[in-house]
Amino acid sequence: EIVMTQSPVTLSVSPGERATLSCRASQNISNILAWYQQRPDQAPRLLIFGASTRATGIPARFSGSGSGTEFTLTISSLQSEDLAVYYCQQYTDWPFFTFGGGTKVEIK
Amino acid sequence: EVHLVQSGAELKKPGESLKISCRGSGYSFSHYWIGWVRQKPGKGLEWMAIMYPGDSETRYSPSFEGQVTISADKSISVAYLQWSSLKASDTAIYYCVRDSSGSFFDYWGQGTLVAVST
Repeated sequence: EIVMTQSPVTLSVSPGERATLSCRASQNISNILAWYQQRPDQAPRLLIFGASTRATGIPARFSGSGSGTEFTLTISSLQSEDLAVYYCQQYTDWPFFTFGGGTKVEIK
Repeated sequence: EVHLVQSGAELKKPGESLKISCRGSGYSFSHYWIGWVRQKPGKGLEWMAIMYPGDSETRYSPSFEGQVTISADKSISVAYLQWSSLKASDTAIYYCVRDSSGSFFDYWGQGTLVAVST
């Protein structure tokens, strides 16, 4: 099983500041990685696939980067509506998908 | 527009059976894998099972094999997840998801809360 590890567990950022979230895979997954956002009391939604491609309707302040085992989700200018938990997911070992434990983004 | 609409919340007792549903619309239901993801209270996401309605091929996470059954009725565009004997540890929100061409989950249902308690 490919283990996905996210850090930090919680991130507190002021509005307008940059938020940087990390995700590490236990083995090389190339760029076969997705990011999801789960706002409070809502279902998750797809943000990024292929490590760096934004899904339809996702604002440009969200960007993804990385390949191999190290990945980053960046929110360039945090907005209040970005309060959420963010999960990374590998799908290279389809269909044995695995998610990271999540990073909770708080508004400072 | 693609939608996945799930059945409502359930309160059950240990040992009872249950079948929850997810209706897909706005796309060709038979031609996309559809799956289920569990989220226990205050915890993260766990993939459980996935199915291709076109030919009924199914795959299970080793953690859930034998614990649940995924099925679908492509004639009415509905996927199901069922338990034969619920446990308190099955208490969670269950999300149905559409797999975008054998890869990531591009659409999610609104979630079904299953509470198992005496």
